[in-house]
Amino acid sequence: TQLLEQSPQFLSIQEGENLTVYCNSSSVFSSLQWYRQEPGEGPVLLVTVVTGGEVKKLKRLTFQFGDARKDSSLHITAAQPGDTGLYLCASPRGGTSYGKLTFGQGTILTVHP
Amino acid sequence: NAGVTQTPKFRILKIGQSMTLQCAQDMNHNYMYWYRQDPGMGLKLIYYSVGAGITDKGEVPNGYNVSRSTTEDFPLRLELAAPSQTSVYFCASSYTTGGWGNIQYFGAGTRLSVL
Repeated sequence: TQLLEQSPQFLSIQEGENLTVYCNSSSVFSSLQWYRQEPGEGPVLLVTVVTGGEVKKLKRLTFQFGDARKDSSLHITAAQPGDTGLYLCASPRGGTSYGKLTFGQGTILTVHP
Repeated sequence: NAGVTQTPKFRILKIGQSMTLQCAQDMNHNYMYWYRQDPGMGLKLIYYSVGAGITDKGEVPNGYNVSRSTTEDFPLRLELAAPSQTSVYFCASSYTTGGWGNIQYFGAGTRLSVL
């Protein structure tokens, strides 16, 4: 089973600061998904990256897929309190996986007003 | 749009009790999943189903059972609850897209404490 390592595990910042969250694996990702989970809710998909070197933007969030498809990053510009939550990366298990995903352990982000 | 609905939202069990966590989806998805989420541990797959009547074990199935009699419903049964089963449980569903992977839609979770 592919292991996904996320860093940092915790991040506490002030409103307006920038931040980057990382997701790494020793294996090549077929694709990578980023989810955000708000307190008391289930995870919600933010983006899927598929091609090595791909960059996707979602308002103030920028997602990058490494050229070798072994790493990905999520960068948030000018963080807001509404960005507070748990950020999870996930990758398909490959083969006949029946849509199963392997999740990283998550990064807990707290943005203070 | 209901999506994935989980009940109950909260539950406290005594050691040795049993309960069923309910999950229903109205998106006609063929795949459904049960996860548990422990602090700092991400999501661990308990059981999954690829369609009515077909289920299989995930990473951490011990102490749990599932059934899938309809496309919509995928209940998770805890028999003889233990403190180690204290966790937040999430149900998810997805549809077959093939290629680079499915999108999973999650319920709001059930917070379970076993005391």
